[in-house]
Formats: sequence, structure tokens, C-alpha cells
Amino acid sequence: QSALTQPASMSGSPGQSITIFCSGTSNDIGYYNYVSWYQQHPGKAPKLMIYDVTDRPSGVSNRFSGSKSVNTASLTISGLQAEDEANYYCSSFTTTNTWVFGGGTKLTVL
Amino acid sequence: QVQLVESGGGVVQPGRSLRLSCGASGFNFRSSAMHWVRQAPGKGLEWVAHINHDSTSVLYIESVKGRFSISRDDSKNTVYLQMDSLRGEDTAMYYCTKDLSKHWSFESWGQGTLVIVSS
Repeated sequence: QSALTQPASMSGSPGQSITIFCSGTSNDIGYYNYVSWYQQHPGKAPKLMIYDVTDRPSGVSNRFSGSKSVNTASLTISGLQAEDEANYYCSSFTTTNTWVFGGGTKLTVL
Repeated sequence: QVQLVESGGGVVQPGRSLRLSCGASGFNFRSSAMHWVRQAPGKGLEWVAHINHDSTSVLYIESVKGRFSISRDDSKNTVYLQMDSLRGEDTAMYYCTKDLSKHWSFESWGQGTLVIVSS
């Protein structure tokens, strides 16, 4: 099972919105609505931000939203803030009963 | 509140074994599926293994099949990862994660334990 494809890096200014795309296949993102997104600050453990494509765990800001179209999922962060600077990973359950992650996107807030 | 504490990492020679442990608290461990996810230095996340709530289902990434074994002891609220025939490419921070039930995602994460495979 190959990793999902994400851009290596993205940047945005405070207050702007950015969207991170995550490309998969019909055997993962395209088959299940089990796409999740994780935020990881340097030296810290990842944190669940979005699950089931669009749902936010309790305590996660509503500035974070997710969506999916066919084999591609996306994470949108609106009203970008300095603390959003981090690495973001997408993940999906797959038809081979495994989980796959994207390579990660380093988000810089300018 | 959910707490996951990993232990057992260290430096080990190629071909040797290591057992990681993850102590859990703050939730109903017996009802929860658990995972191990790893991250090589400077690299991305990689799912390694999963065990369901009653140990009837265990799943592994292809690269560790036959070498790693996940298990749990509900009396100790602990999940384990037995790692045999270790290779250099197994060098990583290993995170224990709690499964978000019925949502196939990683709800809570420990702080990780570092495994370095080197001669």
C-alpha cells in the first residue's frame, strides 16, 4: 500500500485560508469515508484534528474543516494563526485492512 | 483524561529483539482497540500494527509481518509490541495510539519511545 500524496510544504499569512490536499486511490480515500487529519508540532506527538473526512473531535477549533472528492481529501484552515504552524498528515483506512498516511505537509505561517 | 505512556525503547543491534510497552489510563481500555504508529527521524508517520479490543484481530504493515507481534494485557491496561529481527529501517519513534472506535482513526497518542537499531 503506497503512501498518500501531500505537498511537502505550504505557507500562508495570518488571517488567510489555506487548503492542503491529500491524494489517494480507489482502495483508500476513494473507498471509505475514514479519512483523518493530524497536526504535529516539532518534538510533539500528533493530534487528531479531523476524522471521518469532515468531523472534528471535541476541542478542535472550527477553523479546521475537511472534505473529500473521489480519491482526494482536503483540510482547510481558515483564519490562519501563528500556532497553526506545524506538520499536517492525512490518513485513510484501506481495502487491505491497513492504514496509510500521507508524507506530511509542513505549514509555515508567514 | 486519556494517558498513554510508552516505554522499552533504546539502542539495539540489527537482528536483536526489543519489547515496547504502553500503559493506558483514563478510559475503558478493555473496550478499546489500540495501534502502534512509528516515525523515522525527520520523516512522516507510518502505521505499524493494530489490535482490537479482545485480541481476536491483529493487523500489521507488510514490512513487519513475521517480525513484530502486538498483544495486550487488559489486567494491566497495557499494550505491547514485540519486535524481533530488527533492522536499521525500524529506527523510529514508536507511538502508542488509542483507536477512535468505529471511526478507524487515531484518537489519542502517547509521547513515544525511541528505538535505534544500530551496530
